[in-house]
Amino acid sequence: AQSVSQHNHHVILSEAASLELGCNYSYGGTVNLFWYVQYPGQHLQLLLKYFSGDPLVKGIKGFEAEFIKSKFSFNLRKPSVQWSDTAEYFCAVTLSGNTGKLIFGQGTTLQVKP
Amino acid sequence: ETGVTQTPRHLVMGMTNKKSLKCEQHLGHNAMYWYKQSAKKPLELMFVYSLEERVENNSVPSRFSPECPNSSHLFLHLHTLQPEDSALYLCASSPEDSSYNEQFFGPGTRLTVL
Repeated sequence: AQSVSQHNHHVILSEAASLELGCNYSYGGTVNLFWYVQYPGQHLQLLLKYFSGDPLVKGIKGFEAEFIKSKFSFNLRKPSVQWSDTAEYFCAVTLSGNTGKLIFGQGTTLQVKP
Repeated sequence: ETGVTQTPRHLVMGMTNKKSLKCEQHLGHNAMYWYKQSAKKPLELMFVYSLEERVENNSVPSRFSPECPNSSHLFLHLHTLQPEDSALYLCASSPEDSSYNEQFFGPGTRLTVL
């Protein structure tokens, strides 16, 4: 069965530190890739997505992610985090050309210390 | 109101009770989804509705019964639940049930089964 794995469950960083959250998926076909974020007390919302083309995608609030097909990975990065980036981050995939069924990773809690 | 709303936000019920969760989207979308988020587990898709027709039932027990009377409303009817059904239930919507669409999430209903 298809699955998504996020290696870091809880990350603690100081402000201005660089961030990289790992995401790997298991599926041999074409996938669409998403990062969702949930800020404290708020709804899940889309951070960025990749369907095709340039494997480096930019999202909101200075986040970016790189799709590396050979590694089945879609890691999320930000060069310099802020306290307001404290949130839970979810990697998810859909199977391209299929339904909207999102397959989620377990999530990573990011805590940024001021 | 805008976006996706869910009521109630919190629900405590006994195993013999019958209750319903409600989701409403004000985005003009044609697809709606129910997800379950249990502690320390990834979000799991439960049901998908597209144009008010159920298109996916992700092996969900019959004690969960969805209903989609129109494209703006989605219900999850609950009866004879078990304590392990305690979780956060999230509703989402998207323009179409497609692997390329972003899903918009509601705030969730925190369900506790005693």
